[in-house]
Amino acid sequence: GEDVEQSLFLSVREGDSSVINCTYTDSSSTYLYWYKQEPGAGLQLLTYIFSNMDMKQDQRLTVLLNKKDKHLSLRIADTQTGDSAIYFCAESVSGNTGKLIFGQGTTLQVKP
Amino acid sequence: DTAVSQTPKYLVTQMGNDKSIKCEQNLGHDTMYWYKQDSKKFLKIMFSYNNKELIINETVPNRFSPKSPDKAHLNLHINSLELGDSAVYFCASSQPRGGPSGELFFGEGSRLTVL
Repeated sequence: GEDVEQSLFLSVREGDSSVINCTYTDSSSTYLYWYKQEPGAGLQLLTYIFSNMDMKQDQRLTVLLNKKDKHLSLRIADTQTGDSAIYFCAESVSGNTGKLIFGQGTTLQVKP
Repeated sequence: DTAVSQTPKYLVTQMGNDKSIKCEQNLGHDTMYWYKQDSKKFLKIMFSYNNKELIINETVPNRFSPKSPDKAHLNLHINSLELGDSAVYFCASSQPRGGPSGELFFGEGSRLTVL
């Protein structure tokens, strides 16, 4: 079946690195995603990784994909208070429908 | 200029009432979606339309009926509202069936509270 799991909460100090982890079940997922949700807003795509890649770096963001373990992580370097939000991991579902399965979201709290 | 806009943003109503949420996108996308986010922030797909054709219909009570008058609009009508329908409903759009990268563009959400 399709399932995505994340830890619910992470607290870090400003300037530290944050690592948010995710596990998924659908090995046929073509893409895996990280979305960010700020309070009172919709989700916004942060970054995504194609399933044949191991790593993707985009400025302060690093995505690591371990296909064997079906594990995805998002590292945010030099975390700022503006990074405080809920981060959702998601996987695409095969079948050409555009359907995404989301994890339950990790709330990142950044303390000054 | 908002890409995906939903109305109303907040909706408070009594059990048993019927209500609608409207969604419009100006991105030229062919595919639109309704997602439900519950009080624990869990986000689950409800429906998807591609160019006015229903392509995803998850296990959702038939009190929920989506309608797509054209590919830029996807409305959600809910009959006989129940307490458990209280949630934030997000509209989203994408290139056809997710397009090459599958990126979804979300509206700001409509918070429905059923009393």
